[in-house]
Amino acid sequence: ETGVTQTPRHLVMGMTNKKSLKCEQHLGHNAMYWYKQSAKKPLELMFVYSLEERVENNSVPSRFSPECPNSSHLFLHLHTLQPEDSALYLCASSQDVRGVQPQHFGDGTRLSIL
Amino acid sequence: GENVEQHPSTLSVQEGDSAVIKCTYSDSASNYFPWYKQELGKGPQLIIDIRSNVGEKKDQRIAVTLNKTAKHFSLHITETQPEDSAVYFCADAGKSTFGDGTTLTVKP
Repeated sequence: ETGVTQTPRHLVMGMTNKKSLKCEQHLGHNAMYWYKQSAKKPLELMFVYSLEERVENNSVPSRFSPECPNSSHLFLHLHTLQPEDSALYLCASSQDVRGVQPQHFGDGTRLSIL
Repeated sequence: GENVEQHPSTLSVQEGDSAVIKCTYSDSASNYFPWYKQELGKGPQLIIDIRSNVGEKKDQRIAVTLNKTAKHFSLHITETQPEDSAVYFCADAGKSTFGDGTTLTVKP
């Protein structure tokens, strides 16, 4: 149990569908992150939130839309995805965004785009 | 450019042997370096970390060393066991950047 829970664990969707990934952390952290993990590639940072405010967006296509309603919950809304978006999407949290404390990861959502 | 380089990409050792994974970083201001272990079907889990004010840290069979001058840090696993088999990632936490990962296989 890492304290970071992601749902669903697996998701298969067509390119025209709209779906959302959910992340919840029970660690009392103030920062939350979305990463994309593709085969043969390093973890790619997508978004960073600090106290519900987006502080970083690493040139992610607009078909990915994050939402952070409070410091414990993070969503990633998906629409009109492409086959190359198939990957493992990982959520993480940390005490703050200063980068001097470890990030705690969920087990990810395995996304497959048909 | 890439902030963290990790080598090797794959490593196979015999049970009981030692394993060493090396990473280099580019920003001399970076000061916190965690290591993560990722097992199949799981997210990365923190196993050890090191801050720039120390040169070495040890926790049972795992240790991490840091050379600030050379800007590299290494993970050392001694007396390896089959359950150590996983993908290991180094990271520059200040930049949320990760190495490409090392797939470690420990043969019984």
